[in-house]
Amino acid sequence: GQQLNQSPQSMFIQEGEDVSMNCTSSSIFNTWLWYKQEPGEGPVLLIALYKAGELTSNGRLTAQFGITRKDSFLNISASIPSDVGIYFCAGQRKTSYDKVIFGPGTSLSVIP
Amino acid sequence: GAVVSQHPSRVICKSGTSVKIECRSLDFQATTMFWYRQFPKQSLMLMATSNEGSKATYEQGVEKDKFLINHASLTLSTLTVTSAHPEDSSFYICSGGRDGTDTQYFGPGTRLTVL
Repeated sequence: GQQLNQSPQSMFIQEGEDVSMNCTSSSIFNTWLWYKQEPGEGPVLLIALYKAGELTSNGRLTAQFGITRKDSFLNISASIPSDVGIYFCAGQRKTSYDKVIFGPGTSLSVIP
Repeated sequence: GAVVSQHPSRVICKSGTSVKIECRSLDFQATTMFWYRQFPKQSLMLMATSNEGSKATYEQGVEKDKFLINHASLTLSTLTVTSAHPEDSSFYICSGGRDGTDTQYFGPGTRLTVL
C-alpha cells in the first residue's frame, strides 16, 4: 500500500537554527500536507500543497511540493522553543474526501 | 473557521464495556469524516471513512463489528468501541473536510484507557 517515509526521525537543534525535514513516497500524491502535533493534541495543519513544484510559506515555515509528486520538504527558519513537537507529512491522492496517509513523523526538540 | 470538536477528551473504562466518541464539525458541514487511531510514539493510522447517511468504509485489519461508526448528520459522526479491551487503549482522532477544499481538519483527539 501507500507508504510515506520521513527524515530525520528526530532532531535536536539550538534555538535560532534553521530546520529542514523531508518526506518521500513510493507513489504519487496530488496533495501534500504538513501537520504539527503536540502531546495530547490532535494534529494541526501547517501548510497544504496542491500543485507539483509549488512553494508555500506560512510565517517561518516553508514547504515545497516535489516535481515528481513523490516528495515534499518542510523548512523552519530561526527556530524557537514553541516549535517543539512532532511534524507529520501527509498525502492525499484526490480531494478532501480522500483519506489522508500520514508519514511516521519527525520529532523536533529545540534547546533554548 | 473549520473547527472540529471531539467528546469526551479523555475516557477511562473497564474491560468489556462500550465507549462512544463523538466528532462534530462546528462551523462547516462534512460529508465525509475520517477516524484515526494513534498509539504512543506512532503515527496516525486511518481506521475508517465515515460517509453521511451510508455505511462506513473500514481499512484492512479494522474490525467493523468492534468499531461501530455512525455518521447521522453532516456535522456529527460517532465511533463506538464495543467490548473494549486494554489493547484498544489509544488516542482516537477524527477529521472532516469542507466541500470544495482539499484540506482535512482534525479534532483534538480522545484518549481512551481501558483497564
